[in-house]
Amino acid sequence: SYELTQPPSVSVSPGQTARITCSGDALPRQYGYWYQQKPGQAPVLVIYKNSERPSGIPERFSGSSSGTTVTLTISGVQAEDEADYYCQSADGSGSWVFGGGTSLTVL
Amino acid sequence: EVQLLESGGGLVKPGGSLRLSCAASGFNFITYSMTWVRQAPGKGLEWVSFISSRSTQIYYADSVKGRFTISRDNAKNSLYLQMNSLRAEDTAVYYCARGHCTGGTCYSGVDYWGQGTLVTVSS
Repeated sequence: SYELTQPPSVSVSPGQTARITCSGDALPRQYGYWYQQKPGQAPVLVIYKNSERPSGIPERFSGSSSGTTVTLTISGVQAEDEADYYCQSADGSGSWVFGGGTSLTVL
Repeated sequence: EVQLLESGGGLVKPGGSLRLSCAASGFNFITYSMTWVRQAPGKGLEWVSFISSRSTQIYYADSVKGRFTISRDNAKNSLYLQMNSLRAEDTAVYYCARGHCTGGTCYSGVDYWGQGTLVTVSS
């Protein structure tokens, strides 16, 4: 079955830049989505269609795509950004998939 | 304001059945695809099932295929998940989510999530 691969954890100091990658064979042909989930809360969409930012999401969140990898970048990380981040995409035949999630720690 | 309110979760024995509901409001339900996503305790997100706006396209994860049935009632702005032959590994919070649709096109992602309903399968 199709898989998306993310690093389990990323740590950064406040004000630094955090980059979270997500790799999958179908990503050159399928859009990537990114969701933020804080403990005890439902996920929130932070990036759609690889690089678009929903209204209400801070400008420090951005997304990019290159080949089989999509990347979520958080510039000037703040303490409130500490959360789990999940990428999500599709395999082109109807099935969707989530990455395993990345725990972002703000040191 | 988009609102998605799940209900129907609870404790069920292995082999049992449960029907989840999701009441949608604040948007034109009939024009959006909908999805169920689950999260086992302490684990990551797992896609469960997708249904297009008029139920013409329906997809399931391999882990639930043949046991779960997704459906919707556009007249009632409601989404459902009928879960049969439940197993311990189906224990999770089940989220209802709205498909990301713009300009008449729906993409393979979601833009709003409900708060979830907990399903526990245990004897």
